[in-house]
Amino acid sequence: EAGVTQFPSHSVIEKGQTVTLRCDPISGHDNLYWYRRVMGKEIKFLLHFVKESKQDESGMPNNRFLAERTGGTYSTLKVQPAELEDSGVYFCASSSNGGLLGTDTQYFGPGTRLTVL
Amino acid sequence: DAKTTQPNSMESNEEEPVHLPCNHSTISGTDYIHWYRQLPSQGPEYVIHGLTSNVNNRMASLAIAEDRKSSTLILHRATLRDAAVYYCILRRADSWGKLQFGAGTQVVVTP
Repeated sequence: EAGVTQFPSHSVIEKGQTVTLRCDPISGHDNLYWYRRVMGKEIKFLLHFVKESKQDESGMPNNRFLAERTGGTYSTLKVQPAELEDSGVYFCASSSNGGLLGTDTQYFGPGTRLTVL
Repeated sequence: DAKTTQPNSMESNEEEPVHLPCNHSTISGTDYIHWYRQLPSQGPEYVIHGLTSNVNNRMASLAIAEDRKSSTLILHRATLRDAAVYYCILRRADSWGKLQFGAGTQVVVTP
């Protein structure tokens, strides 16, 4: 079974440009999460999809970030326009149950390293 | 959400056990204790979780104090591949799934 995949693995862009990150969760996983680690900081939650619906987007830093999950399969995270402080590693994770009982296992992708110059 | 406290780093020799402590003095009755680890240049991966009783799986064991204010992740025989940052995370039973990572414990395994 394929794991969570993310594309691209690395992205280098200039300030003000747009970047779109993609995440393909494990097939059949309804839950999809985005996290990021900026330089020197801890991994932080960004948002959570259940199928195509945003269940929790409390971690999204500002309106320059837009996440979508059309059809409840893969997800994209667009940063527009990118700023220097957006540099970091963006992780995607998926899990198979509703997460309501706090016991689901999240499977993480390898991450996308974003560098904004 | 309840927070956890872990040592910044721990060192172990290969093939020796590693005991990673985690304090969570403000844990609530419905919080699950989860452990994830992150190997270099990879995403985090699940290790183990528990509520009240000690738990074992192929990767590790989780020992939970009777008052649940602390727990210990036990790697029975450390290998070089176990060198990673280990995160102790509390998850509410009614939460919508997000993981709240702290700084974790960097485990160094020496041959």
